[in-house]
Amino acid sequence: GAVVSQHPSRVICKSGTSVKIECRSLDFQATTMFWYRQFPKKSLMLMATSNEGSKATYEQGVEKDKFLINHASLTLSTLTVTSAHPEDSSFYICSARRIDSPLHFGNGTRLTVT
Amino acid sequence: KQEVTQIPAALSVPEGENLVLNCSFTDSAIYNLQWFRQDPGKGLTSLLLIQSSQREQTSGRLNASLDKSSGRSTLYIAASQPGDSATYLCAVRVRTYKYIFGTGTRLKVLA
Repeated sequence: GAVVSQHPSRVICKSGTSVKIECRSLDFQATTMFWYRQFPKKSLMLMATSNEGSKATYEQGVEKDKFLINHASLTLSTLTVTSAHPEDSSFYICSARRIDSPLHFGNGTRLTVT
Repeated sequence: KQEVTQIPAALSVPEGENLVLNCSFTDSAIYNLQWFRQDPGKGLTSLLLIQSSQREQTSGRLNASLDKSSGRSTLYIAASQPGDSATYLCAVRVRTYKYIFGTGTRLKVLA
C-alpha cells in the first residue's frame, strides 16, 4: 500500500490565491522530504529539500518566498504556492526518505491556476 | 553538474516484444540508480533500485543493469504487455538522497 500520501490530488484556483499541498509519510518518520515539480511531458525537477525542524533547502532558481515549505513534524511536510499565477500550473510531487529503503513518492498534485 | 538522459524519448511496440530502455548519466559518482514508472497524471512507482556496487537487479519481467564507469543503465522489459504502457524514468542519487531524474521514455505497447 501507499506509504506516502499527498493531498489534494487535484486543485484549481484563481490567480492570486494561495494553495497548500500536504505530504504525509504514513507509517514511518521522515526526517527529510523532497518536493519536485513536473512540467508537461518533462521530467521531474527538484525544488527543495524539506528538513524536519529546520528551514528548507531550495534549489537554484526556486523562489523560496513563492514556494513556502514547512516540515513541522516527522510525518508531514507542506508546500504552499503563494499568490499563484497561471505559470505555476504544474504537477507537484513529494517524496519521503525512509531509512534503508528506496525513496517513496506521493501520487502528486495537479495544480491549475486560472 | 550531473545530467541524466534517456533514449528513446518515445517508443511504440507490438505486444510480446522484448525491449530495452536506455539511461545515461554524465557523472559516475552516484550512490544508486532507480527506475520508476509513471502513468499519465499519476505519481511515481519504483520499479528497481540498483546500488552503485551492483551490476543488475531483476523483478519479474524487468531487468535493470548498471555500468557506472560508462555512465549507463538499461531497463529490459521482457514479453511486453499493453499494461506496461507508461512513462519510464530513471534517476540517480547524487548525495544526501538528492535524485536527478532523466528525461523519460514514453512507452506504448500495442495490443
